[in-house]
Amino acid sequence: DIVVTQSPDSLAVSLGERATINCKSSQSVLYSSNNKNYLAWYQQKPGQPPKLLIYWASTRESGVPDRFSGSGSGTDFTLTISSLQAEDVAVYYCQQYYSTPPLFGGGTKVEIK
Amino acid sequence: QVQLVQSGPEVKKPGSSVKVSCKASGGTFNTYAVSWVRQAPGQGLEWMGGMIAIFGTPNYAQKFQGRLTITMDEPTSTAYMELSSLRSEDTAVYYCARGHYYGSGSYFNDPWGQGTLVTVSS
Repeated sequence: DIVVTQSPDSLAVSLGERATINCKSSQSVLYSSNNKNYLAWYQQKPGQPPKLLIYWASTRESGVPDRFSGSGSGTDFTLTISSLQAEDVAVYYCQQYYSTPPLFGGGTKVEIK
Repeated sequence: QVQLVQSGPEVKKPGSSVKVSCKASGGTFNTYAVSWVRQAPGQGLEWMGGMIAIFGTPNYAQKFQGRLTITMDEPTSTAYMELSSLRSEDTAVYYCARGHYYGSGSYFNDPWGQGTLVTVSS
């Protein structure tokens, strides 16, 4: 199984400041045949289902604000919120979908400082 | 825009089974996959299993092998998840999600159903 590990478990950021979440996979999730990284990011607000933010490691889902960006390749990935807004308070999860089972990271809780 | 609508909350006795439905409204699962993911109270997301519609064969996480059955009824655009031999540790919110499969690997999930709370208690 390809395990994904997120860090930190939680972080508190001031409004308007940058938030950075890391995700590391136990094996590369870069598919050589199409040069795509099989990694997604989700946002989950309290009492709501998860919402897809980013797929292919860096492709923003339609309607997602451009302050959210994904980067990285192979085994190391980052989700960046460039200017934290109050509505971004949530838990963020990465997921590899390179192979079955498509495991999730443990989540990172983002709060306002 | 497709929405996934799940069946309502359930309360079950230990040892019994539960079946949760997930209907795609405004769309289908035909060229997609379906994932089932659960979330225990205060915990993270746990992938249980899924099925790519064009293949019709479900995949299950090892820990649920023998207890989990995922099916799909294409004419009604409804997916089902049945979990048997329930125990208290199965108390969780169960989500379905439409999986986007691109011919290799597994799939990412969007959109998600609203979730179904299953409570297992004697």
